[in-house]
Amino acid sequence: ETGVTQSPTHLIKTRGQQVTLRCSSQSGHNTVSWYQQALGQGPQFIFQYYREEENGRGNFPPRFSGLQFPNYSSELNVNALELDDSALYLCASSPTPNDLYLTTDTQYFGPGTRLTVL
Amino acid sequence: KNQVEQSPQSLIILEGKNCTLQCNYTVSPFSNLRWYKQDTGRGPVSLTIMTFSENTKSNGRYTATLDADTKQSSLHITASQLSDSASYICVVRRNDYKLSFGAGTTVTVRA
Repeated sequence: ETGVTQSPTHLIKTRGQQVTLRCSSQSGHNTVSWYQQALGQGPQFIFQYYREEENGRGNFPPRFSGLQFPNYSSELNVNALELDDSALYLCASSPTPNDLYLTTDTQYFGPGTRLTVL
Repeated sequence: KNQVEQSPQSLIILEGKNCTLQCNYTVSPFSNLRWYKQDTGRGPVSLTIMTFSENTKSNGRYTATLDADTKQSSLHITASQLSDSASYICVVRRNDYKLSFGAGTTVTVRA
């Protein structure tokens, strides 16, 4: 088990609603990345937060937004939910935004939040 | 087109047998390649990470290989156990923070 936790575990929403997912990073990690994983697919990068600032974004519309707090925990907010937003949402924390020169994997994933949009 | 292609999409093996999963990528410039194990409904857990200069890396019964010239990697599972049933995801990192994920290979180990 990693030290990354996510809440809630499961969530059911209807189209048009808004949702907030939460992630607590591993102790000592200042970088949090969020991913969307549709059933049977690999995770897709949504965005990354480093020291409370967005540090990169994937191909997701603006209705996907995030926050990082001084304690490095993070939130993912999704507005105007669509059916295709149904997925497992993963957050991953790492000690730096770029572990390019590290030979060990220091990015740890949380267990995910399963979002179902009806 | 996905820059990381994995094969097969799924496979079933008997307990105690070996299997090999494949990962081909077009991601460039290459930084490192990781294999993750993802149990159903859980987050991925890292198995191995290899940089350009590494050809083989082992983690217990898991052995990953990398051929950076042909842009291919494999993950070999030796003497499979029921607990090896999971999705195995190949992830390639470019020379920035961006990761490209494969769709995964679902392995089912049967007694």
